[in-house]
Amino acid sequence: GESVGLHLPTLSVQEGDNSIINCAYSNSASDYFIWYKQESGKGPQFIIDIRSNMDKRQGQRVTVLLNKTVKHLSLQIAATQPGDSAVYFCAEADTGRRALTFGSGTRLQVQP
Amino acid sequence: EPEVTQTPSHQVTQMGQEVILRCVPISNHLYFYWYRQILGQKVEFLVSFYNNEISEKSEIFDDQFSVERPDGSNFTLKIRSTKLEDSAMYFCASSDRVSPGYTFGSGTRLTVV
Repeated sequence: GESVGLHLPTLSVQEGDNSIINCAYSNSASDYFIWYKQESGKGPQFIIDIRSNMDKRQGQRVTVLLNKTVKHLSLQIAATQPGDSAVYFCAEADTGRRALTFGSGTRLQVQP
Repeated sequence: EPEVTQTPSHQVTQMGQEVILRCVPISNHLYFYWYRQILGQKVEFLVSFYNNEISEKSEIFDDQFSVERPDGSNFTLKIRSTKLEDSAMYFCASSDRVSPGYTFGSGTRLTVV
């Protein structure tokens, strides 16, 4: 069936390092992808999105890469800060559907 | 920055009881959603709502669930007869665009005992 999954459940990095969080998806019809950040006790917070007609999109300190050939999505966070510590979810949607399918999440721990 | 507001933040109810979870979406948004997250698990889609009707629902959203927009500001999720497995965080979200890059509320933690 359709699924979106994450390779690493927990990622620990040093403050100032770059972080890379990965996500695999299996629905070939997916054409829209989003990364969300979830802090403890809060709802998912939008970070960045990308459409399937793009390979890369950059925001402030974040970059999303999309490889449609292998159905892989990644989130790169530059100069990781303690405030980046959270669970990160990828989510996908396909044309015509409004529902998002979420991955299982990666916990990012930033060590000072 | 506009927010999606959810109340209550925590609801404890006895099995078999009805609960209503409340949400105030962002004022100019047209699309509304409910998601849930069982502790330690993925965020799961329940239902989307547009133009005063359900536009899509998941298998989770069975006859025990219903949604309503009773006025111009509130969006509610009702569970008619709660079960233990309904215990979860319930997130409301809204969007103003065709693409689902929407804003989530902080959630209501529902505990069924």
